[in-house]
Amino acid sequence: DVKVTQSSRYLVKRTGEKVFLECVQDMDHENMFWYRQDPGLGLRLIYFSYDVKMKEKGDIPEGYSVSREKKERFSLILESASTNQTSMYLCASSSGLAASTDTQYFGPGTRLTVL
Amino acid sequence: QQQVKQSPQSLIVQKGGISIINCAYENTAFDYFPWYQQFPGKGPALLIAIRPDVSEKKEGRFTISFNKSAKQFSLHIMDSQPGDSATYFCAASPYNNNDMRFGAGTRLTVKP
Repeated sequence: DVKVTQSSRYLVKRTGEKVFLECVQDMDHENMFWYRQDPGLGLRLIYFSYDVKMKEKGDIPEGYSVSREKKERFSLILESASTNQTSMYLCASSSGLAASTDTQYFGPGTRLTVL
Repeated sequence: QQQVKQSPQSLIVQKGGISIINCAYENTAFDYFPWYQQFPGKGPALLIAIRPDVSEKKEGRFTISFNKSAKQFSLHIMDSQPGDSATYFCAASPYNNNDMRFGAGTRLTVKP
């Protein structure tokens, strides 16, 4: 069974703080993704990584950065958190060459509130 | 603006009824169309997916209908059960590309 875990289920931070969201997958998947989920907007891709130290911008990368130093771990970083980054953050992984080749497996999500 | 438009936003169906959720897209480069199911407190999980070379795919009570000319696809849940109550997302991605686009989601409630 593929397992994608996220470091926190709930997180409350203050405006201007640096925030780290961690994601770990245990299936040796090449691809990892960070999405944010907002009501009425569905899931929007922030960044993805297809290999260690490799990253690509998704639909909404502004205000975020990512780090992938090890294959199993993908971190999302909010350099200076703002209230409009309050959201549910979902991490996913897949083993294929592309989203159209293989299933994305999602973690349970981190609900981030920025005050 | 969303590249995949999903409707309705919410749906209430009686147990045993048919649930139908619709999605439409514009980008003709999309060639993989999955549906994800999300229960409260969980991440989305792949339910069923279709490629445009077929017009229908069925897995148990779940069927995807695909209309390439209209650029529309839909999920049908036959004999809906209370355990099907969840949020459903349609999605689309181009071939050999990691850029998956999701619809806004439909919250389905199946009443006993």
